[in-house]
Amino acid sequence: QSALTQPASVSGSPGQSITISCTGTSSDVGGYNSVSWYQQHPDKAPQLMIYGVTYRPSGVSDRFSGSKSGNTASLTISGLQAEDEADYYCSSFTSSITYVFGTGTRVTVL
Amino acid sequence: QLQLQESGPGLVKPSETLSLTCTVSGDSVSNDLYHWGWTRQTPGKGLEWIGSIYYSGITYYNPSLKSRVTISVDTSKNHFSLKVTSVTAADTAVYYCQRLPSYCSGDYWGQGTLVTVSS
Repeated sequence: QSALTQPASVSGSPGQSITISCTGTSSDVGGYNSVSWYQQHPDKAPQLMIYGVTYRPSGVSDRFSGSKSGNTASLTISGLQAEDEADYYCSSFTSSITYVFGTGTRVTVL
Repeated sequence: QLQLQESGPGLVKPSETLSLTCTVSGDSVSNDLYHWGWTRQTPGKGLEWIGSIYYSGITYYNPSLKSRVTISVDTSKNHFSLKVTSVTAADTAVYYCQRLPSYCSGDYWGQGTLVTVSS
């Protein structure tokens, strides 16, 4: 299974909104509403930010939102803050009854 | 509070078997709502899903690793384990264990443990 495709880096100024894309195929992203997004700070474990394409776990800021169109899912961070600077990974369930992660995106707050 | 803790050797020789255990506290590996799984991250690189197991023993593996990976569960000890055979330097990574609800690849993760493959 091939990793989902994400941009290597995205940047924005404090207060701005940014969007990270995650492109797969009809066998993963496009075929299931099981896309998740994870935030990972240096030397820390990934933290679940979005699941089921659009749902936020308890405790996650509503500045984080998810969506999907066809084979591409997206994570939007609005009102960008310094603490949002981290790596972000998408993940999707696949037709092989496995999971696949994205290539990862480094978010930089300018 | 759910906690997962990985344990095992931090150094493994090439061609040998990597063995890790994830001890769960605050939940039961017999909880039929969840699978339990492993993901790894090579230094400076992205995440790679390894596989998962249900309390009944049903397993699912990444096709690229399936021939070398075994995940097992011990409900009496409330832990689950990972074995990777015939390791090479490419298996050097931080290994994470996680709980998998039906809707995502992990809602709770362990802190991760670095395994280095080197002679």
